[in-house]
Amino acid sequence: GAGVSQSPSNKVTEKGKDVELRCDPISGHTALYWYRQSLGQGLEFLIYFQGNSAPDKSGLPSDRFSAERTGGSVSTLTIQRTQQEDSAVYLCASSPAGQGGTGELFFGEGSRLTVL
Amino acid sequence: DQQVKQNSPSLSVQEGRISILNCDYTNSMFDYFLWYKKYPAEGPTFLISISSIKDKNEDGRFTVFLNKSAKHLSLHIVPSQPGDSAVYFCAASGGATNKLIFGTGTLLAVQP
Repeated sequence: GAGVSQSPSNKVTEKGKDVELRCDPISGHTALYWYRQSLGQGLEFLIYFQGNSAPDKSGLPSDRFSAERTGGSVSTLTIQRTQQEDSAVYLCASSPAGQGGTGELFFGEGSRLTVL
Repeated sequence: DQQVKQNSPSLSVQEGRISILNCDYTNSMFDYFLWYKKYPAEGPTFLISISSIKDKNEDGRFTVFLNKSAKHLSLHIVPSQPGDSAVYFCAASGGATNKLIFGTGTLLAVQP
């Protein structure tokens, strides 16, 4: 499809397990973002990739969270040893080169993570 | 440290009337502001933006106003339509980073 694709759309896991969330950005978009929305909260910035530059990881809440982007395209967000407070909708967005902060981001539909 | 604040969690207006959604920010380095709209179970979609060199930007029924001295922006929707019912997020960026900082959102309900 032409939009940002995220998988899985829903994930239920047990506390302590690791999870991986995947994002396929729009083809040609060099900027990729991960945000999360906890219940009743706004969109919390997690990490930002721009081309071949070092990612901005300033929003990752703990060292249990990591993300990578392979070949400048697909990104995977990994949460190790999940906790109940990790339950949220994880949103991925992409943007054309250099427009991340001055143009629109294109969001996927999100991956809803529930940690029991 | 909430740099972008939307103090009204919800707003209800009658169809045909004006909706005014407000947003305040604290970081004086922000120089670009955007509004996003989000329907349930969907990702946010871009609505309208404004650069700090302007104080108003209009796109059809949507107008964004920026008051830099007050660090305040607002989104006006007129006339409001039931299809406008959604969560509206204010976002800002600026300084050395391209990352967008979002507010907590305002749920708008437009009553027919």
